[in-house]
Amino acid sequence: AQSVTQLGSHVSVSEGALVLLRCNYSSSVPPYLFWYVQYPNQGLQLLLKYTSAATLVKGINGFEAEFKKSETSFHLTKPSAHMSDAAEYFCAVSEGGGTALIFGKGTTLSVSS
Amino acid sequence: DTAVSQTPKYLVTQMGNDKSIKCEQNLGHDTMYWYKQDSKKFLKIMFSYNNKELIINETVPNRFSPKSPDKAHLNLHINSLELGDSAVYFCASSQGGLRGNSPLHFGNGTRLTVT
Repeated sequence: AQSVTQLGSHVSVSEGALVLLRCNYSSSVPPYLFWYVQYPNQGLQLLLKYTSAATLVKGINGFEAEFKKSETSFHLTKPSAHMSDAAEYFCAVSEGGGTALIFGKGTTLSVSS
Repeated sequence: DTAVSQTPKYLVTQMGNDKSIKCEQNLGHDTMYWYKQDSKKFLKIMFSYNNKELIINETVPNRFSPKSPDKAHLNLHINSLELGDSAVYFCASSQGGLRGNSPLHFGNGTRLTVT
């Protein structure tokens, strides 16, 4: 069964600094991988997805993620943090074939001025 | 023009009561889901329907009963509510069943508080 681990439940950065949110996955088949963002009192919004095309995936709001099969990782990055990036970020994995999307436990990103 | 809408947004009720949460999507998707987010923000799949047919039923107490009258609607009925049912319940939809490569579109959640 697939699973996903997000390293670091809380990440704090200064405005303008690099954002790096870590995600490692486990899957018995080539996975589909997603990053979602959740702002307070809202639902989850898709940031980006990897579905076996390019390994470097660009998403909304300047975020991108790189699929590294050898490391079973799909880390999320943004070159320069903005105050509005403060939110909860979830990595998710799916194997398809009738299985549901499985979420990591989330990482809270705080951005200070 | 909300894509996935849930009602109510907040639900406060007492133990033992029965309550329902409604969900509608106007995206034309064929698959809908219920996820539960606990106080630590962990998201867990509960149910999934594809074209009104139940395709995922995780280990959920049978007090929870989903109903899909058509592929645009997926409601969740909860009987005999317990304190541990307090959580945020998210409805979501996607296209193409559970092939895995279609992203989920989420509603804004229903915060259920059982007292």
